[in-house]
Amino acid sequence: DVKVTQSSRYLVKRTGEKVFLECVQDMDHENMFWYRQDPGLGLRLIYFSYDVKMKEKGDIPEGYSVSREKKERFSLILESASTNQTSMYLCASTSRDRPYEQYFGPGTRLTVT
Amino acid sequence: DQQVKQNSPSLSVQEGRISILNCDYTNSMFDYFLWYKKYPAEGPTFLISISSIKDKNEDGRFTVFLNKSAKHLSLHIVPSQPGDSAVYFCAASDFIKDKIIFGKGTRLHILP
Repeated sequence: DVKVTQSSRYLVKRTGEKVFLECVQDMDHENMFWYRQDPGLGLRLIYFSYDVKMKEKGDIPEGYSVSREKKERFSLILESASTNQTSMYLCASTSRDRPYEQYFGPGTRLTVT
Repeated sequence: DQQVKQNSPSLSVQEGRISILNCDYTNSMFDYFLWYKKYPAEGPTFLISISSIKDKNEDGRFTVFLNKSAKHLSLHIVPSQPGDSAVYFCAASDFIKDKIIFGKGTRLHILP
């Protein structure tokens, strides 16, 4: 059974803080993704990675960076959190064989005050 | 510019009846179309997919239909059950850009 875990379910941070969101998958998937979900906007891709040390910008990368030092772990970093980054953050992973079948973690609801 | 559109933000259906969720797309290069289901406080889960070379795929109570000429797909759930109440995301695989593009979602309410 594929499992994608995220380090926190709920997080409250102050404006200007550096925030780390961690994601770990246990299925040896090559591809990993970070999305944010906002009401009325659906799922928007922030960054993705197809291999260790590789990263690609998604549709809304501004204000974010990522790190993938190990295959199973993909981290999202908010360098200086702002209130407009209050959102639900979802991590996903897929294998190269079935790249369209994404497995999602439970999400992290981040509130920036 | 939305490439995958779900024009109905919500839909209410009586338990036992058919639920039909619709989705339109603009990019003819999409190679796979997908439906994901999401419960509150959980991540989306993959439900069913269809290749762009097919027009129908069935899995139990769920059937997806693809009309390429109209750039339209639909998800049929028969019969609808209370546990089907969730947000459903339509998505499409862009094999050129190697990513998935999601619609904004449709919230399905199954009424007792």
